Amino acid sequence: EAQLVESGGGLVKPGGSLRLSCAASGFIFSNVWMSWVRQAPGKGLEWVGRIKSTTDGGTTDYAAPVKGRFTISRDDSKNRLYLEMSSLKTEDTAVYYCTTGLQYWGQGTLVTVSS
Amino acid sequence: DIVMTQSPDSLAVSLGERATINCKSSQSVLHSSNNKNYLAWFQQKPGQPPKLLIHRASTRESGVPDRFSGSGSGTDFTLTISRLQAEDVAVYYCQQYYSTLYSFGQGTKLEIK
Repeated sequence: EAQLVESGGGLVKPGGSLRLSCAASGFIFSNVWMSWVRQAPGKGLEWVGRIKSTTDGGTTDYAAPVKGRFTISRDDSKNRLYLEMSSLKTEDTAVYYCTTGLQYWGQGTLVTVSS
Repeated sequence: DIVMTQSPDSLAVSLGERATINCKSSQSVLHSSNNKNYLAWFQQKPGQPPKLLIHRASTRESGVPDRFSGSGSGTDFTLTISRLQAEDVAVYYCQQYYSTLYSFGQGTKLEIK
């Protein structure tokens, strides 16, 4: 059974950095395009960005609010997806989900940006 | 960027009745190469991640009850729950995955009347 488990969330000050990790199992991770989606408290879903499979070039795309501040990467040897976040703002406070885009989702990890 | 707009924002329906949620995209999400609409519907209950219900606008995900159906093409789409059950109370989102940058609708909160 496919499983995605996020980690690395926590409290960080505005302007700070944080790296989220997502451990994948139960499917061929290297073949799959992976995405991050976030949800601010009490708000809707917001697509953050995506990384293509390495065989499809491994390129990344980002939503406008995070472009230039967030970086998505993957380590296919470890079946792991990463989200490096820098220059964090209070409006980045959210639960961050790792997802295959449609079918499989993690439980999410909470990032709180506050002084 | 493609903007997804759902209507209504909230909806109250009696048990056993039909619930209809609409989703409109700012540009077509119909892929000309395969004539498929790159539009998905998700259900999200409190404290849980989203659950995929429908993909390619009308293909029900495995294990999803057949009272859930999706329709539409191009820019206008509908999620229909034919006979509402108590466990269907949730927020529903549409998402386009046609463009380079994916996007969600704002969500529709479904409650029991």
